[in-house]
Amino acid sequence: GNSVTQMEGPVTLSEEAFLTINCTYTATGYPSLFWYVQYPGEGLQLLLKATKADDKGSNKGFEATYRKETTSFHLEKGSVQVSDSAVYFCALSLRGGSEKLVFGKGTKLTVNP
Amino acid sequence: GAVVSQHPSRVICKSGTSVKIECRSLDFQATTMFWYRQFPKQSLMLMATSNEGSKATYEQGVEKDKFLINHASLTLSTLTVTSAHPEDSSFYICSARFFMLDEQFFGPGTRLTVL
Repeated sequence: GNSVTQMEGPVTLSEEAFLTINCTYTATGYPSLFWYVQYPGEGLQLLLKATKADDKGSNKGFEATYRKETTSFHLEKGSVQVSDSAVYFCALSLRGGSEKLVFGKGTKLTVNP
Repeated sequence: GAVVSQHPSRVICKSGTSVKIECRSLDFQATTMFWYRQFPKQSLMLMATSNEGSKATYEQGVEKDKFLINHASLTLSTLTVTSAHPEDSSFYICSARFFMLDEQFFGPGTRLTVL
């Protein structure tokens, strides 16, 4: 079946630290991959996506590269800010972002000043 | 960006009662809405997909008579948990599809507690 595994949290970093949140997937076919972010009290928001192998999604300083050979889509940011504190979800879809999404468990990130 | 609201944000009910959760797309027409369920420290699990004016499509293992979904208009979908029991306590999240952007927009979720 299709599944997403992401690193367990919580993750606590100091401001300006480097962030990596690992995400690997299992899928039949060729999925699109996504990172969603959920700020406290708000709904999930699409952070970035990649639709084919070697694509790099980027937004707000975050990046993730679709690695077919390692079935991974790790999220990175070079210098985190306090405002990046949130829960991050990795997800896949076999039919694009407007169709069925399969999510990882989420990783809670706390950035301290 | 597009905004999706859910109401109520929290609800506590007695075992055996029914609870209705509303999901509204505030500034766009959503031809498709999705309902997810999230357990503590678990991922979001898709329960069902609803298209405006037609019956919802439920995921395997989800009881359609237990979780009634109605998508009566392009801006409103409702999830009714019938005869709720403590094991139905969970966080329910809806999303709405904005077809022009090939993207789902998520509501903030509803925390259901069944006593």
